[in-house]
Amino acid sequence: DGGITQSPKYLFRKEGQNVTLSCEQNLNHDAMYWYRQDPGQGLRLIYYSQIVNDFQKGDIAEGYSVSREKKESFPLTVTSAQKNPTAFYLCASSMDRGNTEAFFGQGTRLTVV
Amino acid sequence: RKEVEQDPGPFNVPEGATVAFNCTYSNSASQSFFWYRQDCRKEPKLLMSVYSSGNEDGRFTAQLNRASQYISLLIRDSKLSDSATYLCVVNGGGWGKLQFGAGTQVVVTP
Repeated sequence: DGGITQSPKYLFRKEGQNVTLSCEQNLNHDAMYWYRQDPGQGLRLIYYSQIVNDFQKGDIAEGYSVSREKKESFPLTVTSAQKNPTAFYLCASSMDRGNTEAFFGQGTRLTVV
Repeated sequence: RKEVEQDPGPFNVPEGATVAFNCTYSNSASQSFFWYRQDCRKEPKLLMSVYSSGNEDGRFTAQLNRASQYISLLIRDSKLSDSATYLCVVNGGGWGKLQFGAGTQVVVTP
């Protein structure tokens, strides 16, 4: 089955630690995105990538980093510089740089303890 | 001004009734428009794309008004299962960044 997979589903982090969220897709999509969603809020764009080895900052990139070494993979690292990391993180992909619909993974709920 | 704005609601709708709501966008260069549905604590899922001529999918009708820069969603014969948050999504012009509205909550009551 084609799709987009995020792992883990739930993640707990101690303050001061970096954590990496995984996002893999087998849809052969060029574009991939990371969004953050806080309770009762909309989706805010963290980073996006239109092609392998290239990515751009979104609206709230501070405290996050990404890589795009393979077309299928777009991992997100939440660094200790992100002061309020507890949130629901969603990864998405689309075929054509946003001109076609995006498909989402099931999300990762990150909690700082 | 936010790039994509929606009335957060909630819209409380009796079962069987019709509900409609809009989404405004600021980037006149936007080319692609979508409505997504998000259930509580779940990922958004595509409901329908919005075409220039308007389009219908069963009980759902989407319209695009480029002159006034808004899209709309109408739900007829509302079902209890239609209760969700509806997200408006607009691409950001040339390089295609997808921008999401904060969502409109719809609550269908028996």
